[in-house]
Amino acid sequence: AQKITQTQPGMFVQEKEAVTLDCTYDTSDPSYGLFWYKQPSSGEMIFLIYQGSYDQQNATEGRYSLNFQKARKSANLVISASQLGDSAMYFCAMREGGTGGFKTIFGAGTRLFVKA
Amino acid sequence: GAVVSQHPSWVICKSGTSVKIECRSLDFQATTMFWYRQFPKQSLMLMATSNEGSKATYEQGVEKDKFLINHASLTLSTLTVTSAHPEDSSFYICSAREGLGGRRGSYNEQFFGPGTRLTVL
Repeated sequence: AQKITQTQPGMFVQEKEAVTLDCTYDTSDPSYGLFWYKQPSSGEMIFLIYQGSYDQQNATEGRYSLNFQKARKSANLVISASQLGDSAMYFCAMREGGTGGFKTIFGAGTRLFVKA
Repeated sequence: GAVVSQHPSWVICKSGTSVKIECRSLDFQATTMFWYRQFPKQSLMLMATSNEGSKATYEQGVEKDKFLINHASLTLSTLTVTSAHPEDSSFYICSAREGLGGRRGSYNEQFFGPGTRLTVL
């Protein structure tokens, strides 16, 4: 069963506007972490933001914020004030606690295109 | 952030040869390293998890005899693709995680290498 679902293969956003990339997950482990990574064409994985399952507040890192809705099992990434350099592939990922072996699994990804 | 290096960054080899890819954590001790492969326009698929000094744990469907993983030290893990074939051509990415109580205090984080692009002719 797919544990991380990203339903948007591609997204377009106008420069300087905000965009939301969707991510839903499935786990029965009460302890887990959610991540977002950016992968530009060079292939490197760039860590953007982390949300722990027990965190009470939504994570924020600069222009990135994570809209964590635990009951819905969703962890959407919001990028504010999009820049041309934000054009890349974005992956949502989850790491489960002890029962999951601390391994991180990735969603299918969303390709973001920022238009000038 | 912490630095994880991979070598080589790209390799082209003939079918039937073996290729070794190195993954090093440069400024921390990685008790756990992960190996992923990524086909073009697809997501990262976890191949195996390796803990220093023990055998790697392979994901379902990954041939352990074909993808040999050695995690002999706290800063180095190697992936050897044995008898490579064109279908093994892919982007291989390692990531490393510091142990609990490590000097960096980065237990929650997973640091990725830049990847190795393997092309088998």
